[in-house]
Amino acid sequence: DTEVTQTPKHLVMGMTNKKSLKCEQHMGHRAMYWYKQKAKKPPELMFVYSYEKLSINESVPSRFSPECPNSSLLNLHLHALQPEDSALYLCASSFSGGEETQYFGPGTRLLVL
Amino acid sequence: AQSVSQHNHHVILSEAASLELGCNYSYGGTVNLFWYVQYPGQHLQLLLKYFSGDPLVKGIKGFEAEFIKSKFSFNLRKPSVQWSDTAEYFCAVMISGGYQKVTFGIGTKLQVIP
Repeated sequence: DTEVTQTPKHLVMGMTNKKSLKCEQHMGHRAMYWYKQKAKKPPELMFVYSYEKLSINESVPSRFSPECPNSSLLNLHLHALQPEDSALYLCASSFSGGEETQYFGPGTRLLVL
Repeated sequence: AQSVSQHNHHVILSEAASLELGCNYSYGGTVNLFWYVQYPGQHLQLLLKYFSGDPLVKGIKGFEAEFIKSKFSFNLRKPSVQWSDTAEYFCAVMISGGYQKVTFGIGTKLQVIP
């Protein structure tokens, strides 16, 4: 299995809603990442987990809350988002979080109304 | 902080034409370099990467890239493009030294006309 899967594919939420994005990989990778990609822009790193511990937070607002329950699973909890948070949220994984290739999932397209 | 520049934002080519997409990065130290491709409706996929060794790296689907350290460049090439190469191409850089942060360029949209 060489895939990173993400659910849901699409999500529409209001500014007062609470929702979660899910990412899963079964490649035995120990590092997982969240990126945000706005339209016509490159992906931008949000968070990095290594061995289930948060190792990088790129000054992301607290309305985004990551969670790594185990080495295969990564969640992104969303609460009180703003319309400008609408974007494609990409999950990636790599072997251990060092100088390695990151493998990307298909993303969740989020629309905040 | 490192940054990545991709000079061509939109490239239109006829099938069988040769392709070269420019990528420059700004960081004085050792870097790892990547080209990712995103086909329409699909997710980012690794095309090729350079970590060390031969600066001319070959990737999937006939693509290659050359790392020229003196020019801080990692240009992507293909001698003869096909319609199926229509996609968005992202150059990316990771600082060497155990860091996990990958910085992407803005992307180049390639359209190949049959």
